Amino acid sequence: KQEVTQIPAALSVPEGENLVLNCSFTDSAIYNLQWFRQDPGKGLTSLLLIQSSQREQTSGRLNASLDKSSGRSTLYIAASQPGDSATYLCAVRPNNQGGKLIFGQGTELSVKP
Amino acid sequence: DTEVTQTPKHLVMGMTNKKSLKCEQHMGHRAMYWYKQKAKKPPELMFVYSYEKLSINESVPSRFSPECPNSSLLNLHLHALQPEDSALYLCASSQDYNEQFFGPGTRLTVL
Repeated sequence: KQEVTQIPAALSVPEGENLVLNCSFTDSAIYNLQWFRQDPGKGLTSLLLIQSSQREQTSGRLNASLDKSSGRSTLYIAASQPGDSATYLCAVRPNNQGGKLIFGQGTELSVKP
Repeated sequence: DTEVTQTPKHLVMGMTNKKSLKCEQHMGHRAMYWYKQKAKKPPELMFVYSYEKLSINESVPSRFSPECPNSSLLNLHLHALQPEDSALYLCASSQDYNEQFFGPGTRLTVL
């Protein structure tokens, strides 16, 4: 059974720091991995999608990597800003399970001015 | 247009009421999803529709009844809910089973 773990559960950093959020999964048979952010009481915003054949994806200050063989993904945020404060969720799409996403518990990020 | 819309934003209902949640997308996506999210927890998948046919039902109680009238629209009919069903209900869509795009959610309170 696929399990997804995110460490740390919460993180507080001063503005301007570069930071890394971690995501690990137990079964490497995945089709893709997606990173989301969620603001309190809101829906999920898709940040980056990495296909299983890819090693990384970049969007602006965000860079996500994927090491399928070791069951790990990282989300790197450069030059953090208070507006980056949110909960970050990673989710894997297992092979042969339709569109089902398995989510981690999330990392709650707070960026202090 | 990369938006998924959901109505209503908030819903309060009694345990004997019947209500419906609505989700719409105009991105041409053929897969649509319902998720339930409790506070401080990740979303939990409820249903998946692919090409307007129900493809996944995650053993959801029958008091939740999904419907996909056409490729742009997804409904969730609610009947005889329990207070523990209070949650944020999220709709999502994707092209085939690729990147999923989520709506803003409906905050449901069952009294």
